[in-house]
Amino acid sequence: EAGVTQFPSHSVIEKGQTVTLRCDPISGHDNLYWYRRVMGKEIKFLLHFVKESKQDESGMPNNRFLAERTGGTYSTLKVQPAELEDSGVYFCASSLHHSYEQYFGPGTRLTVT
Amino acid sequence: AQSVTQLDSQVPVFEEAPVELRCNYSSSVSVYLFWYVQYPNQGLQLLLKYLSGSTLVKGINGFEAEFNKSQTSFHLRKPSVHISDTAEYFCALMKTSYDKVIFGPGTSLSVIP
Repeated sequence: EAGVTQFPSHSVIEKGQTVTLRCDPISGHDNLYWYRRVMGKEIKFLLHFVKESKQDESGMPNNRFLAERTGGTYSTLKVQPAELEDSGVYFCASSLHHSYEQYFGPGTRLTVT
Repeated sequence: AQSVTQLDSQVPVFEEAPVELRCNYSSSVSVYLFWYVQYPNQGLQLLLKYLSGSTLVKGINGFEAEFNKSQTSFHLRKPSVHISDTAEYFCALMKTSYDKVIFGPGTSLSVIP
């Protein structure tokens, strides 16, 4: 069974540009989460989808971040325009309905210069 | 609000020596506790979890952790470490299933040959 996959693995962009991160959860997992780790800090929750609906987006830092999950399958996280402080590793995780175990992807390392 | 503290940011230990990684949490409600591990260039992997029942839980790769409610701790231990245990270890909690994971800052374990 394929795990959670994320694309790209690494992205380097200039301040002011737009970047879109993609996450493919494990097939059949209704829950999809985005997290971010800024260098030197904790891994922080960004948002949670249940199927295609946003269940909790309390961790989204500001309106430059837009997450979507079309059809309840893969998800995208767009940052527009990117700022220097957006640099970090973005993790995606998925889980079955009412499960305690979240399966994490390898992360996308975003560098904004 | 809930939070997780890991007092040791880096722990060096010689191969075959025992190790303990400390974790304390704060919460006004009951929570579920986890240890995740991130090997170099890989995603986060669940090491073990405490949901209820026996306070001593065993995980993968010979790790175990003990839940202590009175001390609000969930320390991770291994009696004899191997080079392959070199990784970053994250203590974490959840309030309910399918909730977001709240992570501690991580402890980098370096096993010295």
